[in-house]
Amino acid sequence: EAGVAQSPRYKIIEKRQSVAFWCNPISGHATLYWYQQILGQGPKLLIQFQNNGVVDDSQLPKDRFSAERLKGVDSTLKIQPAKLEDSAVYLCASSVGVYQETQYFGPGTRLLVL
Amino acid sequence: GENVEQHPSTLSVQEGDSAVIKCTYSDSASNYFPWYKQELGKRPQLIIDIRSNVGEKKDQRIAVTLNKTAKHFSLHITETQPEDSAVYFCAARLGGGADGLTFGKGTHLIIQP
Repeated sequence: EAGVAQSPRYKIIEKRQSVAFWCNPISGHATLYWYQQILGQGPKLLIQFQNNGVVDDSQLPKDRFSAERLKGVDSTLKIQPAKLEDSAVYLCASSVGVYQETQYFGPGTRLLVL
Repeated sequence: GENVEQHPSTLSVQEGDSAVIKCTYSDSASNYFPWYKQELGKRPQLIIDIRSNVGEKKDQRIAVTLNKTAKHFSLHITETQPEDSAVYFCAARLGGGADGLTFGKGTHLIIQP
């Protein structure tokens, strides 16, 4: 079974620039999550989708972050404009359903904002 | 706000000894508690999980215990091996509903040869 795919793996940008990350969950997984992992910390949930609807985006900084999952499969996370403190690994995870708890993580996108 | 506290932040044990990592959570409605292992530069990997209707679960050298009354859960690794060296994260599904996971800050486990 193929795992969660993410791209790009690495991205370096300057502050105030925009960046987008892509995630393809495990086939058949209805629930998709985006987490932010700052160096030395645990992952922090940014947004959760169930199919193409948002379940929870309470910790998403909506003034600069946006995410979508238009067809209920792939998802993109965008930051516009980026700040220095956005430097982190952005992890995508998926699970079979919202009440099927096991979450499988992708390899992450490592973002450095200069 | 709701959170998960994890201790210790660093744990060094001799190879073959046991390691114990402890976490506490704030929301009594929490119902799912996974543990993830993360090697440097890699994705978090689920190693064991427990649900709120169970007090203990074991998988070979790894076990997790849950005390709902005290709102804490622990990871136990016996007969530690060099490949157990990694950062371990506890997490909890707070609120008992359909929420995403809230993670602890991690424990860097070092296995001394």
